[in-house]
Amino acid sequence: DAGVIQSPRHEVTEMGQEVTLRCKPISGHDYLFWYRQTMMRGLELLIYFNNNVPIDDSGMPEDRFSAKMPNASFSTLKIQPSEPRDSAVYFCASRGTSGGLDTQYFGPGTRLTVL
Amino acid sequence: GESVGLHLPTLSVQEGDNSIINCAYSNSASDYFIWYKQESGKGPQFIIDIRSNMDKRQGQRVTVLLNKTVKHLSLQIAATQPGDSAVYFCAERPLGYQKVTFGIGTKLQVIP
Repeated sequence: DAGVIQSPRHEVTEMGQEVTLRCKPISGHDYLFWYRQTMMRGLELLIYFNNNVPIDDSGMPEDRFSAKMPNASFSTLKIQPSEPRDSAVYFCASRGTSGGLDTQYFGPGTRLTVL
Repeated sequence: GESVGLHLPTLSVQEGDNSIINCAYSNSASDYFIWYKQESGKGPQFIIDIRSNMDKRQGQRVTVLLNKTVKHLSLQIAATQPGDSAVYFCAERPLGYQKVTFGIGTKLQVIP
């Protein structure tokens, strides 16, 4: 199993530009989570999906952030327009619940730098 | 840019010694607890978990202890190795919720 796949691994952009982060969860997992990690705030949950449906987006910082999951194998997190304070590492994680397994498996992250 | 960040607690341990990393949680409704390890430049990696109906669980070289009375969780690593150097996070999840809350983490430094 390839694990959770995220792309790009690094993104450098200028303030005001649109940024799209991508995630492919582990096949068969029905939960997908997006997290942001900064030195200031640690690891924060932004949004999570169950069976491709957004369940809790209360962690999304503002309307500039949006996330979609068009199918079970793909999700995007979009920031438009981006700001320097969005600079962070963004992690995607997936989780299955069959057989009692409910551990999250994290991807390698996307390091975003907004200049 | 950010000039002030979280001050991670740091634990320095001699190679071969046992390590104990502690975590206090706040939500008495939490019923599932997990320890994650995060190496530099990587995502958090699951180590071991425990449910609230247990007070101890053992894995390979790791043991998690749960004290619900004082809302305390600990991770014990036996015979610590240089490869154990990382930031360790405890995480909790309340009954009936899918949302996991992570602690700030503890940095473990293994001295060869």
